Amino acid sequence: TAGITQAPTSQILAAGRSMTLRCTQDMRHNAMYWYRQDLGLGLRLIHYSNTAGTTGKGEVPDGYSVSRANTDDFPLTLASAVPSQTSVYFCASSDTGGSGTGELFFGEGSRLTVL
Amino acid sequence: GQNIDQPTEMTATEGAIVQINCTYQTSGFNGLFWYQQHAGEAPTFLSYNVLDGLEEKGRFSSFLSRSKGYSYLLLKELQMKDSASYLCAVKDSNYQLIWGAGTKLIIKP
Repeated sequence: TAGITQAPTSQILAAGRSMTLRCTQDMRHNAMYWYRQDLGLGLRLIHYSNTAGTTGKGEVPDGYSVSRANTDDFPLTLASAVPSQTSVYFCASSDTGGSGTGELFFGEGSRLTVL
Repeated sequence: GQNIDQPTEMTATEGAIVQINCTYQTSGFNGLFWYQQHAGEAPTFLSYNVLDGLEEKGRFSSFLSRSKGYSYLLLKELQMKDSASYLCAVKDSNYQLIWGAGTKLIIKP
């Protein structure tokens, strides 16, 4: 089972350019998330989606946008990249219904460098 | 504000026991998670506590005291493959996860 697939694995991007990080899950989880991870800081939530067709802002949403057209896909777009968006980006999903823990399942990450 | 505190780095010896502490101050509490993250990899789920007490899962155990805002992850019979970062996260009253910065655990032979 693939779980969560992110693409690209790594990317170098010129400042001012746009970029979309792709995320696809095959677990039929209702909730999906985008985090960024920077050295010395905890994972910070950028945007989330509790169910297909809905999205919400996390802790650090500025400069990022998301869409959730269906259950499986949750792309993250940087409209005009800036060097402070250099980070490792993780997509995650969870099944928030039922009696489970709602644990997150993470993709392998996308390392983005903005020059 | 909301805050999760855990030590930045710990060192332990192969075969020994180590305890990684996590203290939290959040608006509400709906569960505490521990994740393991090897360098360059994604975090993976280790444990979940929502009630006070100890949850044991093989060599790993996690403890929670809600009144003290405190949890620990106990790793027994340490192996070299346990060298990783351990992330503590609390689900707040809005069911959003608040993450600690992680504890880097170094295992020495």
